[in-house]
Amino acid sequence: AQTVTQSQPEMSVQEAETVTLSCTYDTSENNYYLFWYKQPPSRQMILVIRQEAYKQQNATENRFSVNFQKAAKSFSLKISDSQLGDTAMYFCAFMKHVHSNDYKLSFGAGTTVTVRA
Amino acid sequence: SAVISQKPSRDICQRGTSLTIQCQVDSQVTMMFWYRQQPGQSLTLIATANQGSEATYESGFVIDKFPISRPNLTFSTLTVSNMSPEDSSIYLCSVEDGQGARRQYFGPGTRLTVT
Repeated sequence: AQTVTQSQPEMSVQEAETVTLSCTYDTSENNYYLFWYKQPPSRQMILVIRQEAYKQQNATENRFSVNFQKAAKSFSLKISDSQLGDTAMYFCAFMKHVHSNDYKLSFGAGTTVTVRA
Repeated sequence: SAVISQKPSRDICQRGTSLTIQCQVDSQVTMMFWYRQQPGQSLTLIATANQGSEATYESGFVIDKFPISRPNLTFSTLTVSNMSPEDSSIYLCSVEDGQGARRQYFGPGTRLTVT
């Protein structure tokens, strides 16, 4: 079974600054997918970024980027130029590779990010 | 990405009753999923619902408690049966994007409170 660990329950960042959220996972799989989801107070789960384990290049989506360290089983999210609208709970999630019939997303406990004006 | 709606958005129910949650997608999707998010917690997969077959339940979830229907490629329902206060949660449906990219998109969720 896969486990996903987010060790930071809460993070606070000043507007326009940068914040990095940590995520580690445990798996015996070699190919898999990693995700970061954002859940603002509206509770809508929003896909922020996706990384394929067999790609060495770190994924980037505008102000959001990841640092994927496969050997260390680490998948951190960096939010640059933080905006008030980034205030949300952020979940790291794991999914097995496309050749698996298992589409289950395994989520970490989440990190609450508060952006201060 | 698919646009997903859920009904109701929230409800307050008495223990012992049942509630059926609807999930509607604006495009045909093969795979739909139901997750539960207990207060202050992360999301846990309840079951996978594919059209034309019975839902596949995760460990700890049973069909008698959470019956699921999937009558077509754009719609699914989850029923929470014989509710107790421990069932108070947000229930979310999601769909897989069908492009082989393993992206899942979520509905807005249904906040259920059982008194």
